[in-house]
Amino acid sequence: DAGVTQSPTHLIKTRGQQVTLRCSPISGHKSVSWYQQVLGQGPQFIFQYYEKEERGRGNFPDRFSARQFPNYSSELNVNALLLGDSALYLCASSGGLDRAYNEQFFGPGTRLTVL
Amino acid sequence: AQRVTQPEKLLSVFKGAPVELKCNYSYSGSPELFWYVQYSRQRLQLLLRHISRESIKGFTADLNKGETSFHLKKPFAQEEDSAMYYCALSGPSSGGYQKVTFGTGTKLQVIP
Repeated sequence: DAGVTQSPTHLIKTRGQQVTLRCSPISGHKSVSWYQQVLGQGPQFIFQYYEKEERGRGNFPDRFSARQFPNYSSELNVNALLLGDSALYLCASSGGLDRAYNEQFFGPGTRLTVL
Repeated sequence: AQRVTQPEKLLSVFKGAPVELKCNYSYSGSPELFWYVQYSRQRLQLLLRHISRESIKGFTADLNKGETSFHLKKPFAQEEDSAMYYCALSGPSSGGYQKVTFGTGTKLQVIP
């Protein structure tokens, strides 16, 4: 298993554009979480999906949305990009929601630059 | 509300010296605490979790509920320990899901 994979690796967009980031979890993992990591800060929670349903949302505007597919892969969408959306976007998968399965396995991230 | 505080942005120690990375948390229930590490040019990975009570790469961390702390310790630092360390807390939120909150991280620099 290659672990959690994310695509693309890097992305450059201009203000006002829309972007879609993709994540494939570890085989067998049903939960995917998205984080935004701004330079110099820890990861900030954006969304968690489990069994294709949104189970949690952090303090991010409605411009951010996500979904999870039947194969448990996930997409993060950001509309009307702002300069402040420039960050590393991390995807993490875990086996489930309860304590026995909530260890997060992280992908390498997608570096988004908004010009 | 969940909150994790790592007061030091940078901690520099000499090789062979003891290391203590501080982490304090705020949470009303029974949290689960983790330490994640990110080595240069590698992805974020789990170092240890408090429920396991393990020693990983010589590191240990004890959950102190009275002081709401989960400090990471190692008796003798090695050069390969140089990395970014994040303390994280997982606990059910008002929405019923497991929310993970990360601290801002501490960069550990081990001087040869």
